[in-house]
Amino acid sequence: QVQLVQSGAEVKKPGASVKVSCKVSGYTLTELSMHWVRQAPGKGLEWMGGFDPEDGETIYAQKFQGRVTMTEDTSTDTAYMELSSLRSEDTAVYYCATDFTAIHAFDIWGQGTMVTVSS
Amino acid sequence: DIQMTQSPSSLSASVGDRVTITCQASQDISNYLNWYQQKPGKAPKLLIYDASNLETGVPSRFSGSGSGTDFTFTISSLQPEDIATYYCQQYDNLSFGGGTKVEIK
Repeated sequence: QVQLVQSGAEVKKPGASVKVSCKVSGYTLTELSMHWVRQAPGKGLEWMGGFDPEDGETIYAQKFQGRVTMTEDTSTDTAYMELSSLRSEDTAVYYCATDFTAIHAFDIWGQGTMVTVSS
Repeated sequence: DIQMTQSPSSLSASVGDRVTITCQASQDISNYLNWYQQKPGKAPKLLIYDASNLETGVPSRFSGSGSGTDFTFTISSLQPEDIATYYCQQYDNLSFGGGTKVEIK
């Protein structure tokens, strides 16, 4: 059974960076297209970026370009999302998610990681 | 970018009622439209993919329809455990609708 297990909550100061991890169990990361979605408190879901298997590249939502980097460590089956120049508006729960059964939908999600940006 | 307009933003209905949520895309997205359910403090859960396909294990009271720009999500008989926020998502540029919070009247 495929599971995505994320790292724990983080508290960061404005201007800092945060790196959230998402470990794959029950499958191999190289076989998955990993994406990241965030949700500010009381707000909706916001897609940040992810791997496009058709192009073989990681694509980022325009809003986050230049501030977000998504990487993978295939030796540990762990995906990472790093967001820099943090501001209070980045306070949110960050989820990793994948289209495991290749149905053009996110059918497997991590449990979420709360990132709080506060001085 | 493709914009998704979801309505209503919230609704209140009685147990057993039929509930309908709509999602409109700013341009033709064929049937690349998914529906998710999110309960408080939990990750979203996929219910419907490709506009009308029920995800494995999801109760048959949930259904979806539509193509092109206009889509509908229906709960045929609302149950207490269906209290949640529902989101549409288009799989062209992966954006989500604003969500619909469903409450029991």
